[in-house]
Amino acid sequence: QKEVEQNSGPLSVPEGAIASLNCTYSDRGSQSFFWYRQYSGKSPELIMFIYSNGDKEDGRFTAQLNKASQYVSLLIRDSQPSDSATYLCAVPMNYGGSQGNLIFGKGTKLSVKP
Amino acid sequence: KAGVTQTPRYLIKTRGQQVTLSCSPISGHRSVSWYQQTPGQGLQFLFEYFSETQRNKGNFPGRFSGRQFSNSRSEMNVSTLELGDSALYLCASSHLPQGPRLAGPENEQFFGPGTRLTVL
Repeated sequence: QKEVEQNSGPLSVPEGAIASLNCTYSDRGSQSFFWYRQYSGKSPELIMFIYSNGDKEDGRFTAQLNKASQYVSLLIRDSQPSDSATYLCAVPMNYGGSQGNLIFGKGTKLSVKP
Repeated sequence: KAGVTQTPRYLIKTRGQQVTLSCSPISGHRSVSWYQQTPGQGLQFLFEYFSETQRNKGNFPGRFSGRQFSNSRSEMNVSTLELGDSALYLCASSHLPQGPRLAGPENEQFFGPGTRLTVL
């Protein structure tokens, strides 16, 4: 049974700071990794995905993957109060290319203080 | 383009009853997945359907079942409800990739608003 672990938080950072969210996974064979954001009372939405070791940047978001250590992280630069949400890390249940069978971590709640 | 729709949005049932939830995917999406979200366990995968066939199943008891129709709409059913079944049930739809490949942006799954089930 694949497992994905995240620190539940809450993680509190001041506006403009870098928020660092971490995730570890149990299956060494996992190849795709996803970060979802979920605002309170809303559905999850995909913000980043990463396949390869190293960093992937998209605007203020950077995903970092280290397969040898089995962790993936999400950095949010210049954090804004609107980034306050729960961030969910996920890996596919199998390797069939579908995103429709994701195993999620329990999420890290981020609070950005003005 | 309309998003994923789920009905009903809220439901209250009592222990021992059964419930059926409905999901209509984004037009053109043929893959539908179901997830259960609770404060304690987080977001957990229930099952995934494509072309009326269940492709994957999570670690839930047999009381949880689903099906998909030829128009890609999907339903999930929970029989003999228990208090612990109180949760937000989310449906998501996506394209399914052709052939073996890594999951990527072309088959991003989009979540519906969910059905909030309360079991008394």
